[in-house]
Amino acid sequence: NAGVTQTPKFQVLKTGQSMTLQCAQDMNHEYMSWYRQDPGMGLRLIHYSVGAGITDQGEVPNGYNVSRSTTEDFPLRLLSAAPSQTSVYFCASSYQWDSDEQYFGPGTRLTVT
Amino acid sequence: GNSVTQMEGPVTLSEEAFLTINCTYTATGYPSLFWYVQYPGEGLQLLLKATKADDKGSNKGFEATYRKETTSFHLEKGSVQVSDSAVYFCALSIGSGGGSNYKLTFGKGTLLTVNP
Repeated sequence: NAGVTQTPKFQVLKTGQSMTLQCAQDMNHEYMSWYRQDPGMGLRLIHYSVGAGITDQGEVPNGYNVSRSTTEDFPLRLLSAAPSQTSVYFCASSYQWDSDEQYFGPGTRLTVT
Repeated sequence: GNSVTQMEGPVTLSEEAFLTINCTYTATGYPSLFWYVQYPGEGLQLLLKATKADDKGSNKGFEATYRKETTSFHLEKGSVQVSDSAVYFCALSIGSGGGSNYKLTFGKGTLLTVNP
């Protein structure tokens, strides 16, 4: 199994541009989520999904959209990038929403200038 | 609301030193507690967990005991190695009924550097 994969690894955007961060898992996990990691802030939940077709907001959802059309994929869309969205983004998945272990992808480092 | 507080870093130790990273939590109900580790350039991975009071989680020489009376889950290792250099995150999960009731809350992370 490849586990959780994320693309791209690095990305630089200009303010106002849009882009999609890709996340895929091949473990047939129902639960998937997106976090952002900022220095001194730990990880903060952006959006999550408990299954295909079901998504919900986390702690810091503003400026981000998600969709879950398949079990495997959970893309994160930045609608109009802002410098405040400069961060490292992690996708995670687990077998069920309350599963003990979250499996994390390697992260995408995004810089917005 | 739920929160996790862990000791500020960075923590710098010599190889074979004893490690403690403090973690305390605030939660309504009965959370499960976790330690995740993030090695340089990688995502987080689960190090150990405990799901009820007085449980001890252990893995790779690390241990943590779920203390309900002090709402703590301190991480310890008797003899650290250079390869233990990483960022350590304490976390809790709580919720029932699925969907919006589920929440995984992380502390801010503690950077550990172990020198030879």
